[in-house]
Amino acid sequence: EIVLTQSPATQSLSPGERATLSCRASQSVNSDLVWYQQKPGQAPRLLIYDAFNRATGIPARFSGSGSGTDFTLTISSLEPEDFAVYYCQQRHDWPGTFGRGTKVEIK
Amino acid sequence: EVQLLESGGGLEQPGGSLRLSCAASGFSFSNYAMSWVRQAPGRGLEWVSTISGSDGTTYYADSVKGRFTISRDNSKNTLHLQMNSLRAEDTAVYYCAKGGSRWYMTFLHYWGQGTLVTVSS
Repeated sequence: EIVLTQSPATQSLSPGERATLSCRASQSVNSDLVWYQQKPGQAPRLLIYDAFNRATGIPARFSGSGSGTDFTLTISSLEPEDFAVYYCQQRHDWPGTFGRGTKVEIK
Repeated sequence: EVQLLESGGGLEQPGGSLRLSCAASGFSFSNYAMSWVRQAPGRGLEWVSTISGSDGTTYYADSVKGRFTISRDNSKNTLHLQMNSLRAEDTAVYYCAKGGSRWYMTFLHYWGQGTLVTVSS
């Protein structure tokens, strides 16, 4: 089973700041890496698929990069609605494992 | 607009059974893989099971293999998860999710709001 390690566990930032979230895989997943956002009491929402493709309706301030084992989700300038938990997930090999998440909280 | 509406959750005793359903609308249901993902209280996400949109092949996490069965009724645009031999560690919110393609290893494009399953005596 592929293990995904997300860091940091929590990131405290102010609106307008840049957020950089990391996801590292225990083995190569090529570009088969997905990012989701989850707010309290809500279902996850697809943000980025295949490492860098934004899902429909996702603002351009969200961007994904990386391949192989190291991936990054960047939020260029945090809006109030962006404070949430972010999960990475690999779809390279069954089961499609998730990372433990990074919480982006208001500083 | 894609809509996924889960039902069937509730309180069940250890060793009992529950059947979850997910009513789908707004897309061509038979053409997409469908999945169940769960989230234990205060915890992260765990992919439970997927059924492909191509040939209906099913896939399960080791933690539920032999106890849970995923199925789909393409005539009714409905996904099911039959959960048997329930354990306390199955307690979670169960989400129904639409895949991005008919292939089973696809990203989870749309999610329902979830249904809570609690296993306790």
